Amino acid sequence: GQNIDQPTEMTATEGAIVQINCTYQTSGFNGLFWYQQHAGEAPTFLSYNVLDGLEEKGRFSSFLSRSKGYSYLLLKELQMKDSASYLCAVTDSNYQLIWGAGTKLIIKP
Amino acid sequence: EPEVTQTPSHQVTQMGQEVILRCVPISNHLYFYWYRQILGQKVEFLVSFYNNEISEKSEIFDDQFSVERPDGSNFTLKIRSTKLEDSAMYFCASRDLGRDTGELFFGEGSRLTVL
Repeated sequence: GQNIDQPTEMTATEGAIVQINCTYQTSGFNGLFWYQQHAGEAPTFLSYNVLDGLEEKGRFSSFLSRSKGYSYLLLKELQMKDSASYLCAVTDSNYQLIWGAGTKLIIKP
Repeated sequence: EPEVTQTPSHQVTQMGQEVILRCVPISNHLYFYWYRQILGQKVEFLVSFYNNEISEKSEIFDDQFSVERPDGSNFTLKIRSTKLEDSAMYFCASRDLGRDTGELFFGEGSRLTVL
């Protein structure tokens, strides 16, 4: 079966750095997405990785290792507004998005 | 910036009633999707639509569900006879696989409450 695993919840301090991990087992791979979702709102796009390595975009970076079926999202200089759920999703060989359950990130002052 | 729009933002209905949720995808996008998210749970794929027909559907998308693209802009999800467990946020999304990222653009969602 297809499976995406990420921690259920993480807590971090304002101004710090946090890394959210995601491991996946899917039938084929055509890219991995990270989305941010605030409670009651739609997911919003953060990053897309299809090749191995690190993609940096401002305070957020995303890393992919296809051989390990592993990705992480790195958030730097955390702000209170970063409190949200972070969803890892993988596009399989049929270009269907397989979603993880999301990691709820709690930022404390 | 182009966006996906959904209506209504919130609908309350009685069990057994029919509901139609509407979406206007981004105009030059080719693939359209419906997802749902039950409160506190993960995003679940319902159906994908391409070239005026369903391309994939999940086990959730049973005979109670249907999708239509009645004109060149709207994309609708119909639930024929709602059940209590249909209460969820329903998200429409679209994307243009011609783009490098294949990014999925979501609408703001339609919250369905079945009483």
